[in-house]
Amino acid sequence: DTEVTQTPKHLVMGMTNKKSLKCEQHMGHRAMYWYKQKAKKPPELMFVYSYEKLSINESVPSRFSPECPNSSLLNLHLHALQPEDSALYLCASSQFGGPTEAFFGQGTRLTVV
Amino acid sequence: LAKTTQPISMDSYEGQEVNITCSHNNIATNDYITWYQQFPSQGPRFIIQGYKTKVTNEVASLFIPADRKSSTLSLPRVSLSDTAVYYCLVGAAWGAGSYQLTFGKGTKLSVIP
Repeated sequence: DTEVTQTPKHLVMGMTNKKSLKCEQHMGHRAMYWYKQKAKKPPELMFVYSYEKLSINESVPSRFSPECPNSSLLNLHLHALQPEDSALYLCASSQFGGPTEAFFGQGTRLTVV
Repeated sequence: LAKTTQPISMDSYEGQEVNITCSHNNIATNDYITWYQQFPSQGPRFIIQGYKTKVTNEVASLFIPADRKSSTLSLPRVSLSDTAVYYCLVGAAWGAGSYQLTFGKGTKLSVIP
């Protein structure tokens, strides 16, 4: 199984809502990542988990809160988002190659209204 | 951070070889060069990674000159299904203690019948 599965595929949320994005991989990878991708732009790294420990990208607002329950699962909790946070949120995982050799999920298309 | 520059778009006929070049003048000693392919509404897919000289796999070749200030992704005999955006990524591989990743802005390759 060489897949990274993300749910939901689409999400519309209001600015006062709380929602969560989920990501799962069964490749035995020990690193997992969240990326944000705006239309016609490259992905931007948000968070990295290595062996279930967090490395934080300092430019990510606190309204985004990651969680890694175990080495196969990664969540991104969303609260009080802004319309400019609308984007494709991508989860990825890697083993020995690090963040530059990763398998990506299909993403969650998030729209904040 | 290494700054990467790649062409915005390229057109090619089916069956031709396509070469996409990425420049990364201030690449660091620990940085690897990775290329990803992305179709609309999907996550990027890893194509190939290299550090120097030439790397070849079943889908592409990557040429990196000795000074490592540029790299060229070569796709042999492209087909319509190769129409996608191709991203050059420069960043440290695992263990370097850094998550400084620089995606290029992407090259939209259009394959013409």
